[in-house]
Amino acid sequence: AAGVIQSPRHLIKEKRETATLKCYPIPRHDTVYWYQQGPGQDPQFLISFYEKMQSDKGSIPDRFSAQQFSDYHSELNMSSLELGDSALYFCASSLDMAVNTEAFFGQGTRLTVV
Amino acid sequence: KQEVTQIPAALSVPEGENLVLNCSFTDSAIYNLQWFRQDPGKGLTSLLLIQSSQREQTSGRLNASLDKSSGRSTLYIAASQPGDSATYLCAVTQAAGGTSYGKLTFGQGTILTVHP
Repeated sequence: AAGVIQSPRHLIKEKRETATLKCYPIPRHDTVYWYQQGPGQDPQFLISFYEKMQSDKGSIPDRFSAQQFSDYHSELNMSSLELGDSALYFCASSLDMAVNTEAFFGQGTRLTVV
Repeated sequence: KQEVTQIPAALSVPEGENLVLNCSFTDSAIYNLQWFRQDPGKGLTSLLLIQSSQREQTSGRLNASLDKSSGRSTLYIAASQPGDSATYLCAVTQAAGGTSYGKLTFGQGTILTVHP
């Protein structure tokens, strides 16, 4: 069965550079969530989209932006990268915002800022 | 603000033991609770989803229970195996004003080690 695809899997950037993370949800899933997991931490919600519109926002820095495209894939854009942005970034998808649907996670993108 | 706590933080057991992982949440107004498994540096694998109207869910050697009113969930693993070694995370979907956007609030996880 198709799963949530994230690319790239690993990314190394220097401070003050920009990075773009991509997420391709499970086919027919129209809701995408982004989470950030720092070393030894639990995943923290960043932002979500439903039907290409932002549906909720968490602790996402102003330096980050995201969008969902017409094919439902999503991109997380990160600018002016800082060392503290080094983390595992997860994307999850679900079928609409109906809350009793299960969220499926991708394998994550490991971002290292040097 | 919802807070999710998992106890114990780490657990080491010999192979074959049955074990229980605990999860508690401060706001009982949840829509569902999920248990995940995470191997070191890897992604999150969903193990079980319990809707707020349910009391438990079972999948193979795993059984998860939910007591919404007391803000508690347990994950029971029967006949543990070394391959079960991983971090187990519980997460809740918060209800807010009758509408939830599906975001998950996670606990810190329990690091499980099953030794042969």
